[in-house]
Amino acid sequence: GAVVSQHPSWVICKSGTSVKIECRSLDFQATTMFWYRQFPKQSLMLMATSNEGSKATYEQGVEKDKFLINHASLTLSTLTVTSAHPEDSSFYICSAHRGQGQPQHFGDGTRLSIL
Amino acid sequence: EDKVVQSPLSLVVHEGDTVTLNCSYEVTNFRSLLWYKQEKKAPTFLFMLTSSGIEKKSGRLSSILDKKELFSILNITATQTGDSAVYLCDQWAGSYQLTFGKGTKLSVIP
Repeated sequence: GAVVSQHPSWVICKSGTSVKIECRSLDFQATTMFWYRQFPKQSLMLMATSNEGSKATYEQGVEKDKFLINHASLTLSTLTVTSAHPEDSSFYICSAHRGQGQPQHFGDGTRLSIL
Repeated sequence: EDKVVQSPLSLVVHEGDTVTLNCSYEVTNFRSLLWYKQEKKAPTFLFMLTSSGIEKKSGRLSSILDKKELFSILNITATQTGDSAVYLCDQWAGSYQLTFGKGTKLSVIP
């Protein structure tokens, strides 16, 4: 069964809305989770590394004020796309792993469509 | 410049064919190389390779790493339509540095 749960699966909303995506590790504690974005026919692009109890580490070119990450517990990380615009429409995927260097377990992803 | 390069980008084969997918990577801080299969949703893990020359096998899929030449291959024998997917390779390079290749899109036609 799934070890990482991501919600919601699909979001359609108007421009200017803020959208929160949740990522939960179901049967293990994850001090670190990862957030990716994937545009059609492109590979996964790491956006940020979410660290439990501390600030997220953002990749170059990713706006930290636009994509707010909160990792308040060992099993939950959230990504909030603030004031979303059509160019933010994409497939967002989170992942977690049981330890450094271990395979990542991915959530099912969230398809975000901004009208 | 891409750190992880996969080839080919796209491949169309008939059922029953054998395919070989390639992944070359950088050596800096290399820890392991991972292969994932992505169908409609998020990737699922296939193999993790850390040692050179040791083949990992799972059913019709197998993979091997060459740390001298800095590449890995993923083989799929007797392909089936269910193998159609994007195959991603990911270099784990120390700490939490993750680099995915652009993927190889495999289409298996009946």
